[in-house]
Amino acid sequence: QQQVKQSPQSLIVQKGGIPIINCAYENTAFDYFPWYQQFPGKGPALLIAIRPDVSEKKEGRFTISFNKSAKQFSLHIMDSQPGDSATYFCAARGFQKLVFGTGTRLLVSP
Amino acid sequence: DVKVTQSSRYLVKRTGEKVFLECVQDMDHENMFWYRQDPGLGLRLIYFSYDVKMKEKGDIPEGYSVSREKKERFSLILESASTNQTSMYLCASRSTSYEQYFGPGTRLTVT
Repeated sequence: QQQVKQSPQSLIVQKGGIPIINCAYENTAFDYFPWYQQFPGKGPALLIAIRPDVSEKKEGRFTISFNKSAKQFSLHIMDSQPGDSATYFCAARGFQKLVFGTGTRLLVSP
Repeated sequence: DVKVTQSSRYLVKRTGEKVFLECVQDMDHENMFWYRQDPGLGLRLIYFSYDVKMKEKGDIPEGYSVSREKKERFSLILESASTNQTSMYLCASRSTSYEQYFGPGTRLTVT
């Protein structure tokens, strides 16, 4: 119940494409859903986050869509750029701790 | 800017050695965390601390211990390093808000 399932494991898109990364959870006690971006040799950094009372949140080219009834949420990257190539982790917070998905390695080709 | 620093970026140790990984944050955060990151497994929580001298086990505490003597410093200890502890270790801190800040990581190799 504490798991967050993330897919796909890896993703290749062309510049300008819209990669979509999906996550699913079971625990309805989760109350905060962040996405982290990690570049090689760096620690993860918070990209965007959403609370379960909101169905969508946009920050620049990044959008989270949240479906509470399905217990799923996803990250969309509009007009993707080569600089967006990184590993992306979804997470869910419950009992003071973050539970992370297994990560998606995104490559945006020029 | 919030800063979380880790004592080493790369570390090579022998099997059986005692290993200390140090983490320092400069934002007076109450909560600090240690994760390990392995390909295909994501980030897994080893231990966390919500106050000085307090600690809680995470999902994979076996083979590890921690110490938090000062608010800004959280240490991860491998009592007797083993090859299956070769990994990337990430420290993080968080205030009472939700945002969690990570350090750059320590890549530990145990030979």
